[in-house]
Amino acid sequence: DAGVIQSPRHEVTEMGQEVTLRCKPISGHDYLFWYRQTMMRGLELLIYFNNNVPIDDSGMPEDRFSAKMPNASFSTLKIQPSEPRDSAVYFCASRETGKNEQFFGPGTRLTVL
Amino acid sequence: GQSLEQPSEVTAVEGAIVQINCTYQTSGFYGLSWYQQHDGGAPTFLSYNALDGLEETGRFSSFLSRSDSYGYLLLQELQMKDSASYFCAVNQAGTALIFGKGTTLSVSS
Repeated sequence: DAGVIQSPRHEVTEMGQEVTLRCKPISGHDYLFWYRQTMMRGLELLIYFNNNVPIDDSGMPEDRFSAKMPNASFSTLKIQPSEPRDSAVYFCASRETGKNEQFFGPGTRLTVL
Repeated sequence: GQSLEQPSEVTAVEGAIVQINCTYQTSGFYGLSWYQQHDGGAPTFLSYNALDGLEETGRFSSFLSRSDSYGYLLLQELQMKDSASYFCAVNQAGTALIFGKGTTLSVSS
């Protein structure tokens, strides 16, 4: 299996622009998680889905952030409009029901100028 | 509130043994996980403890005491490649992970 796939790997954008991060979970995994990692705040859970349904979005920082999972093999995290403080590495992870291990993708390094 | 505390940095030499402690205060505790992250890489799973006691996986072991809200990761026979950040994470409601700030381990020769 290819593992969790994220794109793009790096994104540089200007303040105010819309940013869309993409994730393909491991086939057969029914949980999908979006995390953000910064030096100051560490690794934070933003939102997670089970069977394509958002279960907990309490970690989404504000209304500028939105996430969707239209099918079992694809999810997006959108930031509109982006701000410099959104600069971070965004990880997607997936997990199979009944298992404890979460598999992380390589991450998207976002820089907002 | 929820909090996990772990040391920010640990240094050791090759061949040594290192213990990274983690104390937590959370609601809905199901278990404690440990993840390793090399610089520029993604977190990778090391271990999970749901019950009190020690779990051993090769050179790495993990311990949990639910009554003390405490766990640790024990790394034996340290190698240079073990230099990385190590995160403890609480499994909440059996699904979501709440991560500590991480411990940076530096192994020197």
